[in-house]
Amino acid sequence: QQPVQSPQAVILREGEDAVINCSSSKALYSVHWYRQKHGEAPVFLMILLKGGEQKGHDKISASFNEKKQQSSLYLTASQLSYSGTYFCGTDLSGAGSYQLTFGKGTKLSVIP
Amino acid sequence: DAGVTQSPTHLIKTRGQQVTLRCSPKSGHDTVSWYQQALGQGPQFIFQYYEEEERQRGNFPDRFSGHQFPNYSSELNVNALLLGDSALYLCASSLGQGTDTQYFGPGTRLTVL
Repeated sequence: QQPVQSPQAVILREGEDAVINCSSSKALYSVHWYRQKHGEAPVFLMILLKGGEQKGHDKISASFNEKKQQSSLYLTASQLSYSGTYFCGTDLSGAGSYQLTFGKGTKLSVIP
Repeated sequence: DAGVTQSPTHLIKTRGQQVTLRCSPKSGHDTVSWYQQALGQGPQFIFQYYEEEERQRGNFPDRFSGHQFPNYSSELNVNALLLGDSALYLCASSLGQGTDTQYFGPGTRLTVL
């Protein structure tokens, strides 16, 4: 079951904040966040395991709400380099599962 | 530290032909997963290889097959190409079993005419 990402697209000015959501209709074991720039490979941002932990590095952080089966990616004080399409990949089964199911992506554009 | 590499970068084939794509995993990684990414969509899981065996398969027909070599590199083969097979094919490597952090290669852009 493909996770649903929202919004589909967002435009920010440099310095503004954004939140990208990833929701699943099934119980999640882990959520993986990637950013992909046009014509390039997806770049790993972070992985969150069930347990509701929040992770972050620099000005990008994420949370995982196990009860709501939802993860959110937070981008603060956005920079031009944050532009790209953000994908969440979900793992539904945990140990013994080898498959990530990706959402359709959220296109983020940061303008000066 | 070498990252994930894929070859070729671009490929143009005609319907009915066969194609082989190659992937070398990141140094120290032993697991390779293959994904198909259509334009404007997220990557879709094809299959994963570990210890030279296909460990799990996504919803793709048997025309899609793969192989992993003792040095952990991998090949993706697609037979009887269809127009709908046109996509970016991504290889991701990781360490061990499960869905540990996967690092993607630059991909192979396949165009089927």
